Amino acid sequence: DSGVTQTPKHLITATGQRVTLRCSPRSGDLSVYWYQQSLDQGLQFLIQYYNGEERAKGNILERFSAQQFPDLHSELNLSSLELGDSALYFCASSGQVEGDYGYTFGSGTRLTVV
Amino acid sequence: GQNIDQPTEMTATEGAIVQINCTYQTSGFNGLFWYQQHAGEAPTFLSYNVLDGLEEKGRFSSFLSRSKGYSYLLLKELQMKDSASYLCANRGAGNMLTFGGGTRLMVKP
Repeated sequence: DSGVTQTPKHLITATGQRVTLRCSPRSGDLSVYWYQQSLDQGLQFLIQYYNGEERAKGNILERFSAQQFPDLHSELNLSSLELGDSALYFCASSGQVEGDYGYTFGSGTRLTVV
Repeated sequence: GQNIDQPTEMTATEGAIVQINCTYQTSGFNGLFWYQQHAGEAPTFLSYNVLDGLEEKGRFSSFLSRSKGYSYLLLKELQMKDSASYLCANRGAGNMLTFGGGTRLMVKP
């Protein structure tokens, strides 16, 4: 257990629908990052939050949005889903403790759009 | 930018040594990470280099040359379980990691 919790682990939904993916960061971590990984592709950065505020944005579609709540958990909302949105969605968190520079990843949510 | 380049696939034999190379753009560089990712699973941290030189950690070592924008991950005494993707990531400002496309390593008996 990495300490980063993502739910649900699997999600199957139809085109045009909307889903919400949830992430709870490792205890004490203030930053949350969302990544999309399509089949046999690399990790594509979507968005970063730090202590409730959006910090950086990557190649995130307008149909996608995210937020980080006061308890630091984050949600990624995907709407008007298309077949091409099928992918693994990873959340990662990082801390501000000296010497702790890397990301800790959750186990991911596998989204299948049919 | 921080474009990351690494080979798409490599094949090696059990018990052998393999070196996975990674090049990156040097502007804004603030550290180089290697992650291992088995199919369908989360990436897990392998190594971190911020100074030039070799960092050894058991069967895995990672090397960095900041002036050349170059790193490699060295895997010794390969085991079948080392078959995975290996992701090179460049850290920029604000602890942002930019990942390469990953190198899929297949270890054969």
